[in-house]
Amino acid sequence: AQSVTQPDIHITVSEGASLELRCNYSYGATPYLFWYVQSPGQGLQLLLKYFSGDTLVQGIKGFEAEFKRSQSSFNLRKPSVHWSDAAEYFCAVGVEYGNKLVFGAGTILRVKS
Amino acid sequence: GAVVSQHPSRVICKSGTSVKIECRSLDFQATTMFWYRQFPKQSLMLMATSNEGSKATYEQGVEKDKFLINHASLTLSTLTVTSAHPEDSSFYICSAPALDRRNTEAFFGQGTRLTVV
Repeated sequence: AQSVTQPDIHITVSEGASLELRCNYSYGATPYLFWYVQSPGQGLQLLLKYFSGDTLVQGIKGFEAEFKRSQSSFNLRKPSVHWSDAAEYFCAVGVEYGNKLVFGAGTILRVKS
Repeated sequence: GAVVSQHPSRVICKSGTSVKIECRSLDFQATTMFWYRQFPKQSLMLMATSNEGSKATYEQGVEKDKFLINHASLTLSTLTVTSAHPEDSSFYICSAPALDRRNTEAFFGQGTRLTVV
C-alpha cells in the first residue's frame, strides 16, 4: 500500500535561515509527488509537484524539492525562510495519475524572528 | 488553474442534525471528486470518491449511511453528514482531479470546518 512519512512533526527555524522538510514515500510504481501548504483554518495550496523528468522541481514562493528514487525521498527546501512561511506542510503521493492523494502526517513550521 | 469552490467554509450545528457541504467545479467538469477529512492535529485522510451518475466509493471504516455523497451533476458533489455528533467535528475538504491525463493534479476546495456542539 502507498504511504508517506514525514518524520518531523514540528520544525522551528529562524527567519532568513534555510529550510529542509523531509518526506519519504512508499509506492510500487513511478510516483506522482506533491507538496502542499496549509495555513491555519485554510485549504491546501499546491507548492510544487513531480511527475517525471528533472528531479529538482521548482515551485512557488521560492520552494524547491528534489526527487531521489534511490532514497524514496522528496524533500522540500527553501534557501531563506520568511515569517509568512509559517504553516503546516504536507507531502503527498498521488495514485491514479495523481488524482487520489495519500498524505503524510504533516510538518508544522514555526519561524522565529 | 482550475477552480473548485466549497461551501460553507465554517458551520456549527447541534448534535443530531444534518449538515450538507457542497463542492463545485467552477470552470470545468468533474466526473469524479474526492472527499477528505482532517481531524485536529492529524493529516488528511481520504473518505470517499464521488462519481457522477453512480454510487460513491467509500474508504474502509467510513460509514456510508452517515456520510451521504451525491454527485448530481458534472460540476457539483455534496457531502451530507447525517445525525452529526461531536466526534464528527473535523475539517472536510474536497478535490476534483486532473482535467486530462497529462495534467496530473487534483484541485482542492477551500475546506469546511464543521463543529458539532
